[in-house]
Amino acid sequence: AQRVTQPEKLLSVFKGAPVELKCNYSYSGSPELFWYVQYSRQRLQLLLRHISRESIKGFTADLNKGETSFHLKKPFAQEEDSAMYYCALSGSQAGTYKYIFGTGTRLKVLA
Amino acid sequence: DAGVTQSPTHLIKTRGQQVTLRCSPKSGHDTVSWYQQALGQGPQFIFQYYEEEERQRGNFPDRFSGHQFPNYSSELNVNALLLGDSALYLCASSPRAPGNSPLHFGNGTRLTVT
Repeated sequence: AQRVTQPEKLLSVFKGAPVELKCNYSYSGSPELFWYVQYSRQRLQLLLRHISRESIKGFTADLNKGETSFHLKKPFAQEEDSAMYYCALSGSQAGTYKYIFGTGTRLKVLA
Repeated sequence: DAGVTQSPTHLIKTRGQQVTLRCSPKSGHDTVSWYQQALGQGPQFIFQYYEEEERQRGNFPDRFSGHQFPNYSSELNVNALLLGDSALYLCASSPRAPGNSPLHFGNGTRLTVT
C-alpha cells in the first residue's frame, strides 16, 4: 500500500534547539518526496522536494531509500518555524499524478 | 498574481443536498487537482483535471465529480451530501511539466454538512 507516515502529531522544541520531523513512506515504485508547510492563516505551500537537494529556510531533508524515510531537519529552530508540516509522496512513473500526504506534524518553537 | 483562488470560503449544506465548489488556478498553470482534508488529517486526493478531462481519480465515490473549463478553471461537484463529506476542500494547480510539478494550493473551501 502507498502510505506516508508522520508519527508525531505535535513536536515542541525550544528556540535554538535542533529539529527533526519524521516521515516514513511506503511505495512500490520510485517516489518523489516533498515537504509542505502551512503557517498560521496561510495556505499550504511547498517547502522543499528531495530532487532539488537544497536547503530552504535552513531546513534540509534527505531521502533514505533503505529506511524509506524523508526526515526534515533544521539545526537551530526559530520561532517563525512554528507551523504545520506535511510530508507528501508522488510517484515518478507515467500516469501517476496524485500526491499522498501524511497526517502532518505541528511544530511549536518555544521562546 | 493572485495565485490559486477558491470560492466560496465557507459553505453550510444539509444532508442530501448538492454542492459546487470553484477554483481558478495560478496564472500559467493548466492542471488542477482537488483534495479533501478532514479534521486532523492530511489532504486526500480526489481527482486531477488536465486538458478538460479527468486524468486520475482517487478513492472517492461517483458522488464526487468535476469539470475543467477551457480557461483551466475547475469545479468540484458533490451530490447527495453525507455528514462525512464535511471537510476542507483544497484546490491545487500545477504547470504542465515532465514529472510531478509541485502543487500550488488555494485557501480552501470549508464545507459543513448538517
